[in-house]
Amino acid sequence: QGYLVQSGAEVKKPGASVRVSCKASGFTFTKYGFTWVRQAPGQGLEWMGYISPFSGTTNYAQRLQGGLTMTTDTSTNTVYMELRSLRPDDTAVYYCVRVDSDAFDIWGQGTMVTVSS
Amino acid sequence: QSVLTQPPSVSAAPGQRVTISCSGGKSDIGNNYVSWYQQLPETAPKLLIYDNNKRPSGIPDRFSASKSGTSATLGIIGLQTGDEAYYYCQVWDDSLNGRVFGGGTKLTVL
Repeated sequence: QGYLVQSGAEVKKPGASVRVSCKASGFTFTKYGFTWVRQAPGQGLEWMGYISPFSGTTNYAQRLQGGLTMTTDTSTNTVYMELRSLRPDDTAVYYCVRVDSDAFDIWGQGTMVTVSS
Repeated sequence: QSVLTQPPSVSAAPGQRVTISCSGGKSDIGNNYVSWYQQLPETAPKLLIYDNNKRPSGIPDRFSASKSGTSATLGIIGLQTGDEAYYYCQVWDDSLNGRVFGGGTKLTVL
């Protein structure tokens, strides 16, 4: 089936950057795409962007372009999400998700990122 | 504010049936596959339905979905208290060149 295990919670000051990792296991890493979804406290789900480990192709949500970078390391089957110039409203749980065609079929456990002065 | 509109909440008694709607437009639901996700309290979302109406293995057939034009509907029969959760629709949006989620619907099993 497969698993995604994300890095631990982060606390950052406004203006800083954060990088969250997501290690995949149990399936062929390069056969799938990955997406990041975030959820602010008490709010709904927000799609952030997509990356293909096979081609390196990325596609970011328009409102996050310029501040978001997704990368992969095929030697360790790990996906990374870096968000820069953090603001308090970036406080959220960040989920790494495997994408199979149109389906977000495997979700990581989530990583809480808190942005506070 | 999401481009996909879901009712904020629905409720029904155990054993009953409930439907959750997801309304969009030509550039999203009207032209692409819809998927649905269940988020139980304090847990990560889980895939319920993909490609408009297909269930992944392990999802009971109490859950079904359909799409018509620019709207999609999730149906749950034989409601159980364990079905209490938030439900989200999701689709690709050609205009935004990205994916969008509905605002989410809270299901209460009375």
